[in-house]
Amino acid sequence: DGGITQSPKYLFRKEGQNVTLSCEQNLNHDAMYWYRQDPGQGLRLIYYSQIVNDFQKGDIAEGYSVSREKKESFPLTVTSAQKNPTAFYLCASSSYGGKTEAFFGQGTRLTVV
Amino acid sequence: GESVGLHLPTLSVQEGDNSIINCAYSNSASDYFIWYKQESGKGPQFIIDIRSNMDKRQGQRVTVLLNKTVKHLSLQIAATQPGDSAVYFCAENSGGSNYKLTFGKGTLLTVNP
Repeated sequence: DGGITQSPKYLFRKEGQNVTLSCEQNLNHDAMYWYRQDPGQGLRLIYYSQIVNDFQKGDIAEGYSVSREKKESFPLTVTSAQKNPTAFYLCASSSYGGKTEAFFGQGTRLTVV
Repeated sequence: GESVGLHLPTLSVQEGDNSIINCAYSNSASDYFIWYKQESGKGPQFIIDIRSNMDKRQGQRVTVLLNKTVKHLSLQIAATQPGDSAVYFCAENSGGSNYKLTFGKGTLLTVNP
């Protein structure tokens, strides 16, 4: 099936640890995105990538890092510098940046324990 | 309505009625708009999109209206069904080569049987 896959679905992190969220797509899309969603809130952009080996900070990049070594993959690392990491994280991809619809994965719910 | 703090705007309708969900966008340069539906614990799903050279676009049971003069977008759902219950988000792309989609805070639609 074509689509975008996020893993794991649930993730628990101890304070002070870094964790990496996986995002893979087989849609041959150039652009990929990471969003954060807090309860009752909209989606806020963390990072986005228009092409392999290139990525840009979004509105809330502090405490996060990404890489784009392959077209299919855009992992997000939540570092210990992120003060309030508990949230629902959504990865998306699109074929032509923001000019066509973005397809979303099913999300990863990260909880700091 | 406008969102306040952590409380989403809500719309409650009876099954079979028509629903209208509104969105005010922020950037007069935005040239592409999307409506997404998000069910609890899942990623957003694409519903319908519209480009700024159009005022109206229809899909299956859904219609999007764009009023660029007042920077307003609406989603009309005909014959609303219980399965339509979800949070609905509008998203805008601010034009040019900008790859970012900016999301609104969302509206919770509840359909009563």
